[in-house]
Amino acid sequence: AQSVAQPEDQVNVAEGNPLTVKCTYSVSGNPYLFWYVQYPNRGLQFLLKYITGDNLVKGSYGFEAEFNKSQTSFHLKKPSALVSDSALYFCAAIKNSGYALNFGKGTSLLVTP
Amino acid sequence: NAGVTQTPKFRVLKTGQSMTLLCAQDMNHEYMYWYRQDPGMGLRLIHYSVGEGTTAKGEVPDGYNVSRLKKQNFLLGLESAAPSQTSVYFCASSSLRDTEAFFGQGTRLTVV
Repeated sequence: AQSVAQPEDQVNVAEGNPLTVKCTYSVSGNPYLFWYVQYPNRGLQFLLKYITGDNLVKGSYGFEAEFNKSQTSFHLKKPSALVSDSALYFCAAIKNSGYALNFGKGTSLLVTP
Repeated sequence: NAGVTQTPKFRVLKTGQSMTLLCAQDMNHEYMYWYRQDPGMGLRLIHYSVGEGTTAKGEVPDGYNVSRLKKQNFLLGLESAAPSQTSVYFCASSSLRDTEAFFGQGTRLTVV
């Protein structure tokens, strides 16, 4: 069973508007949660992670994510989108007893001028 | 500092042929992983290693074998390629399981 779900295949945002890319998880216990970004024909790049502590995590390129345990969500956010943010975004989790990232299916973000 | 390097970047195989994909990291990381990426499927874990000389199966290990004889290298082998193994393969490494994973540029494999 997929333990990380990204309900949107694609998110479209106008440049300058706030963006949200959704992620929910079904991993028991206290998982480690991550966001990665993939630009065309490239490998994945780390954006941010939540291990413990403050529910709002700040990462690279102005992105942030909010951990919500009651809703089992870890949505990625940015206050003002840039055209250059257009890429494929992956949410991932590691179980407490696990060793490797378990990825969602990815969300394609398109930011239009 | 090269990070994670995958060899080759592209390959076309005929059904039944064998090949080995090489992953090399220069960051002295303990953990290494092989994923495959298919459209609409995200990344799925094939095999992983938590240290030199150790390997373990991931979500989709059938048809693949791996070896980690040296800490810096993680090899992925296909003994008898099938069209279903057409995919983009990514190698990654991390120092600990909860730290940032660094990914290679990927290997695009087509099996005809």
